[in-house]
Amino acid sequence: AQSVTQLGSHVSVSEGALVLLRCNYSSSVPPYLFWYVQYPNQGLQLLLKYTTGATLVKGINGFEAEFKKSETSFHLTKPSAHMSDAAEYFCAVNDGGYSSASKIIFGSGTRLSIRP
Amino acid sequence: NAGVTQTPKFQVLKTGQSMTLQCAQDMNHNSMYWYRQDPGMGLRLIYYSASEGTTDKGEVPNGYNVSRLNKREFSLRLESAAPSQTSVYFCASSDAGGVNSPLHFGNGTRLTVT
Repeated sequence: AQSVTQLGSHVSVSEGALVLLRCNYSSSVPPYLFWYVQYPNQGLQLLLKYTTGATLVKGINGFEAEFKKSETSFHLTKPSAHMSDAAEYFCAVNDGGYSSASKIIFGSGTRLSIRP
Repeated sequence: NAGVTQTPKFQVLKTGQSMTLQCAQDMNHNSMYWYRQDPGMGLRLIYYSASEGTTDKGEVPNGYNVSRLNKREFSLRLESAAPSQTSVYFCASSDAGGVNSPLHFGNGTRLTVT
């Protein structure tokens, strides 16, 4: 079974600083990876998804993620944090592999706080 | 533009009581899912339905049952609620046309079992 590990349950950065949220996957086959964001008292929204062959994936709200096969990582970054970025972020992988029966497994989440 | 609708939003149960959480989507998606969210544990998959007429266990199915009533609706039933089932429950759907199809989530049901 595939899984993802998010390093750091809580990350705090200053407004305007670089945001880096870490995600490592465990897979021997090309993984189907996602980043989701959850604002307080809401469901999750898709930030971005990995497309086979891509190295850098761009998402909404200025976020992007870099796929590094050699490091089995899919870290999420944003060059300059805004107060509105404060939320919980989840990395996820499709454990269904090539099956159409998608089975999305989530990491434990990273709460991002922004300091004024 | 409803997307995924969950009812109820909040529920308090006593240990041993039963209840059904309802979920409906209006996006004509094939696949539907139930997750629970607990602090520090992310979202854990309870059950999913790849298409109408099929259901499969996820990571934490014990104590739950599901019904895929039709293409739109996917319900989650707790037959005998336990305090360990206190959680926030999310329903989601996706178009299973591709393995990287994203999930669309409802706003959740906050369940407390006393």
